[in-house]
Amino acid sequence: GAGVSQSPSNKVTEKGKDVELRCDPISGHTALYWYRQRLGQGLEFLIYFQGNSAPDKSGLPSDRFSAERTGESVSTLTIQRTQQEDSAVYLCASSAIRVNNEQFFGPGTRLTVL
Amino acid sequence: AQSVSQHNHHVILSEAASLELGCNYSYGGTVNLFWYVQYPGQHLQLLLKYFSGDPLVKGIKGFEAEFIKSKFSFNLRKPSVQWSDTAEYFCAVNAGPSGGSYIPTFGRGTSLIVHP
Repeated sequence: GAGVSQSPSNKVTEKGKDVELRCDPISGHTALYWYRQRLGQGLEFLIYFQGNSAPDKSGLPSDRFSAERTGESVSTLTIQRTQQEDSAVYLCASSAIRVNNEQFFGPGTRLTVL
Repeated sequence: AQSVSQHNHHVILSEAASLELGCNYSYGGTVNLFWYVQYPGQHLQLLLKYFSGDPLVKGIKGFEAEFIKSKFSFNLRKPSVQWSDTAEYFCAVNAGPSGGSYIPTFGRGTSLIVHP
């Protein structure tokens, strides 16, 4: 079956613009995670969705970051008024929460803010 | 709060050398432990995992990891590395089913370069 997909694969934007990143999880996976990976650093948790529960937004770095998920399907991560420090690879992962939380990652979106 | 430490940030080896990457975590309860690998130009994928049972876990491509509860460690090993093992390796931990959190914490990653 299809894995996790993300789009776009690359995004170059100007400082101050808004960007929207998309994640399509594996069908049937109730949990969805967004991470940020800056160059040479580890994965930084951003936000977690589990079914219809309220998302865990504890990792969002500022109010410029927001994310939505429709049911148990597509999720979008929006960054408003982008800054150069937002440049990173944004990774999405999904998991079937009742199967010990093994995560399946998408290929990521490389965001470059000029 | 849980945390994960990977002590080796950069490792350079020659082919056929043995590998051990350290991973220590801090969490007092039941844990699920993972090693993920990211090959150049590819996305993160699971290498191996530990949930319960035999503390010595075998994964893909000849990798294994040993969970030592008393040391809060989950070190990754491979007896003889190959050039194709060049990649970034991430250790991750999340609280087990009774811990109430399914959000894993990732280590900073270890960059492994294997010279042919």
